[in-house]
Amino acid sequence: KAGVTQTPRYLIKTRGQQVTLSCSPISGHRSVSWYQQTPGQGLQFLFEYFSETQRNKGNFPGRFSGRQFSNSRSEMNVSTLELGDSALYLCASSLSGESNQPQHFGDGTRLSIL
Amino acid sequence: KNQVEQSPQSLIILEGKNCTLQCNYTVSPFSNLRWYKQDTGRGPVSLTIMTFSENTKSNGRYTATLDADTKQSSLHITASQLSDSASYICVVSARGSYIPTFGRGTSLIVHP
Repeated sequence: KAGVTQTPRYLIKTRGQQVTLSCSPISGHRSVSWYQQTPGQGLQFLFEYFSETQRNKGNFPGRFSGRQFSNSRSEMNVSTLELGDSALYLCASSLSGESNQPQHFGDGTRLSIL
Repeated sequence: KNQVEQSPQSLIILEGKNCTLQCNYTVSPFSNLRWYKQDTGRGPVSLTIMTFSENTKSNGRYTATLDADTKQSSLHITASQLSDSASYICVVSARGSYIPTFGRGTSLIVHP
């Protein structure tokens, strides 16, 4: 059974640009969550999608957005990139997002802003 | 405010030795607590998950304990190996919430 796949693994952008990251969940998983991980803040929740609907959102500016497709694949978009957006972006999937279900993480996309 | 605090921030031990990592939380109402292992450059991998009624859970050389009264958990690693070098993250979920609370992790280095 394939795990969670995130593409691309590495990305370099400059300030002001926008970026789109992709996440393919484990087959059968309908909940996809996105996290930002930095050395100073640890893992921080961005948003969670279930059945193509954003169900929960963390405390991030509107420059961060996402969507989920009918096959449960998800994308997140960051517009007007800032230096502070440099981070590891992790995607995690679970069956339905219930708190008692384990989340399976991808290996992330390392985003560097120059 | 839901919080998870982990200690120590970093730890260096010799191969073959045991170690214990700590996690204190203030998440309420409590649903479950998970320990994850994150290798450098990889995503976190679940080690254990414990609910309110469980106070010990093992996964090979990893044993997690939970004291729901004091809101503390520990992860004990027995006979450490070089491959145990990683960041260990404590994650606590509240009942009815889809958003878990993450600790900042303990960085463990195992030296030969």
